[in-house]
Amino acid sequence: DARVTQTPRHKVTEMGQEVTMRCQPILGHNTVFWYRQTMMQGLELLAYFRNRAPLDDSGMPKDRFSAEMPDATLATLKIQPSEPRDSAVYFCASGLVTGGLYNEQFFGPGTRLTVL
Amino acid sequence: AQSVTQPDIHITVSEGASLELRCNYSYGATPYLFWYVQSPGQGLQLLLKYFSGDTLVQGIKGFEAEFKRSQSSFNLRKPSVHWSDAAEYFCAVGYNTNAGKSTFGDGTTLTVKP
Repeated sequence: DARVTQTPRHKVTEMGQEVTMRCQPILGHNTVFWYRQTMMQGLELLAYFRNRAPLDDSGMPKDRFSAEMPDATLATLKIQPSEPRDSAVYFCASGLVTGGLYNEQFFGPGTRLTVL
Repeated sequence: AQSVTQPDIHITVSEGASLELRCNYSYGATPYLFWYVQSPGQGLQLLLKYFSGDTLVQGIKGFEAEFKRSQSSFNLRKPSVHWSDAAEYFCAVGYNTNAGKSTFGDGTTLTVKP
């Protein structure tokens, strides 16, 4: 049963610290998404990648957030420095988009981040 | 701009009653439509999807949805709700012009009364 995995599942840190969240997409999927979910804003798309190249990161605060895919099996989302307003659940999702054919996204369990 | 509207923030139904969750989208092109469910502390799970063909689609857990182009709607239904259906439900829409990106609605929280 192929799944998207995310680590860590929970992270508590202090303001100003660097936070790195990791995601392993489903093998064979070529598109990876990062979302942030809060009560106030709901589900927000931060960035997404196709074949490891960034397609759109307009949803991310550029000064402190960065997203990368070092290889096809790993996506990372970093926050440096972290702020209390970054407290949220961060989801990674992956999907397969080929030849213009759209498809659904498979979500990981999320990383619950608390910045004190 | 593309958007998805879920008019009901919160719905409460009694166990065994029928359910309909509303979803409307705005955009002129042919959409790809999805319903996802999120249980507390979990990620989103796909319930069903519509790409083309029969406008009534069946999903997991006894859910179905009907695409109505004339109304720009994709409402989710279930004939008899179970207590385990209590969760948050998200409608999402995608287009080929979006390179695989989906726009999500704000979600509808379903409470099931015993």
